[in-house]
Amino acid sequence: KAGVTQTPRYLIKTRGQQVTLSCSPISGHRSVSWYQQTPGQGLQFLFEYFSETQRNKGNFPGRFSGRQFSNSRSEMNVSTLELGDSALYLCASRLENTGELFFGEGSRLTVL
Amino acid sequence: EDQVTQSPEALRLQEGESSSLNCSYTVSGLRGLFWYRQDPGKGPEFLFTLYSAGEEKEKERLKATLTKKESFLHITAPKPEDSATYLCAVQDQAGTALIFGKGTTLSVSS
Repeated sequence: KAGVTQTPRYLIKTRGQQVTLSCSPISGHRSVSWYQQTPGQGLQFLFEYFSETQRNKGNFPGRFSGRQFSNSRSEMNVSTLELGDSALYLCASRLENTGELFFGEGSRLTVL
Repeated sequence: EDQVTQSPEALRLQEGESSSLNCSYTVSGLRGLFWYRQDPGKGPEFLFTLYSAGEEKEKERLKATLTKKESFLHITAPKPEDSATYLCAVQDQAGTALIFGKGTTLSVSS
């Protein structure tokens, strides 16, 4: 069974640019969550999508947005990048009856 | 506000030297407590889910336990391949997000 797939794995952007990250969940999982991981703050919840609807949202500015498609694939977008957005962005799909999250390998974003 | 605190931040063990990692939490109605393992440069790997106080789960050299205020991850006779960061997270009854602790980085030397 294929796991959660995230692309790209690594990317470098400059301040002010925007970035789009992609996530394909485990087959059959309808929920996709996004987390930001930094050395100082650890893992922080960005948002969750279920059946193309945003179900929950964390405390991040509006520059961070996401969407989910009918095939459960999800994208997140960060506009007007800041240096502090440098982080590992993790996508996870959820097993609905247990609440367990299964994570992808992440997209490592560096903002210069 | 839901909160998760893990201790110690870092732990160094000799191969075969058993120890425990602690996860203290405050949550408005626990729906589940989760343990993950994360290797450098990789995403967290699911280990265990605990749902109620008194519950225990085991996997190879790892055993997770849960009380009303904390969870322990016991590592028996660790091997160098157990070296990783161990993350604890909670989910409350109201939400769907997991609230993570900052993790314990375990180093096991031979």
